Formats: sequence, structure tokens, C-alpha cells
Amino acid sequence: DGGITQSPKYLFRKEGQNVTLSCEQNLNHDAMYWYRQDPGQGLRLIYYSQIVNDFQKGDIAEGYSVSREKKESFPLTVTSAQKNPTAFYLCASGKGANSPLHFGNGTRLTVT
Amino acid sequence: GEDVEQSLFLSVREGDSSVINCTYTDSSSTYLYWYKQEPGAGLQLLTYIFSNMDMKQDQRLTVLLNKKDKHLSLRIADTQTGDSAIYFCAESINNQGGKLIFGQGTELSVKP
Repeated sequence: DGGITQSPKYLFRKEGQNVTLSCEQNLNHDAMYWYRQDPGQGLRLIYYSQIVNDFQKGDIAEGYSVSREKKESFPLTVTSAQKNPTAFYLCASGKGANSPLHFGNGTRLTVT
Repeated sequence: GEDVEQSLFLSVREGDSSVINCTYTDSSSTYLYWYKQEPGAGLQLLTYIFSNMDMKQDQRLTVLLNKKDKHLSLRIADTQTGDSAIYFCAESINNQGGKLIFGQGTELSVKP
């Protein structure tokens, strides 16, 4: 079955450490996205990539970094520069403009 | 700028109809989407409507679009306890790389 896999489901880190969240898709989608979800605030776009080896900042990119070396993979690194990293992170993929996004099951990151 | 607004909570009785409302600001929206999120999970695409349509029906779901007022609604007929979840509306904007702008989400509570 095709889909998007995010791992791990839960992640705990100490403040000051970088952490990388994994996202893999086998839907053959060109575009991939990272969103952050906080209670009562909906989803906010962190980074997106429309094609391999290219990506763009979203609305809240500060303190995050991404890479897109393969079509299937779009890992997100939460750096120590992110002031409030505890959140639910959702990865999505799509065929591109004017097509729906398909979401993974999310990674809940807790930083203490 | 782009903005999508939803009311935060809705409570209905099992068997009643639920109507979840959404307003958006960008008149260049091409598609509008409804997603469902169950606790601790990712977003599941429910349905979507192209911006030149007024209505779309899919089994128990009816989407109404009033483009003049920039108002979107999702009606769920014969609401069941399994419909309890958070519902997000989202818009895609032309020439924005396929990214979606999400509302804050409406938490639907279905009481037996």
C-alpha cells in the first residue's frame, strides 16, 4: 500500500540538542511538505519542496532545516535555535499545484 | 494575505446533521479541502471542491461553496459518534507550489 511514513511517533530531546524527524513516501509524489501543529492554531507551514534538490521556506522556517536528496525522503531537522520546538509535526506529499495533500501520522516532539 | 477562519467547537446529538463553517480571504483560491483529524493521528482527506463549483455531495457529506462571500461549509448528515474529530478546511492558491493554507480546525463532539 502506498503512503507516507513518519518516524518515530514520539520523540523526546533535551534542550540544546538538534533532532531529525524522518518522512518517507512511496506515492511517487513530487512535492513534500512539513507542517507544525499547536493546539488551537491549526497547521503552519515550515518548509516545502516541489522537486528533488530544491526546497522553499514556509511561514515559520526559523530554527528548522530540511534536505531533499531523494524524491521519497524529506527529513526535517529541528535545531537548537528553534525557541519553542515542542509540537506535533506533520509531513505531507502531493502531486503539486491544485492537488490534495496526503499526510503521515505525525511525530510528537517533546523538548525539556 | 491569505487567511482561513473556522469556529473552534461544535457539539451535536447523534443522528442530527452537523454543519461546519469556514471563511477564507484569498479570491484566487483554486481548490478548497476538508480534512478530518482523529486524536494523535495525521489528517485524512474527506472531500474537496473546485472553486467554480457551488456544491459537491459525497455520501453523508455535502460541501457548499459561496464564492462571493468566500464561505465554505461541510454538512455531515446523520452524524455518528465516530465522526467526533477535528475538521480542517484548507485552500490552495494558484501559483503557490501546491501548499495549503489551513484554518484552525473545528472540534466536533457527537453526544449519544
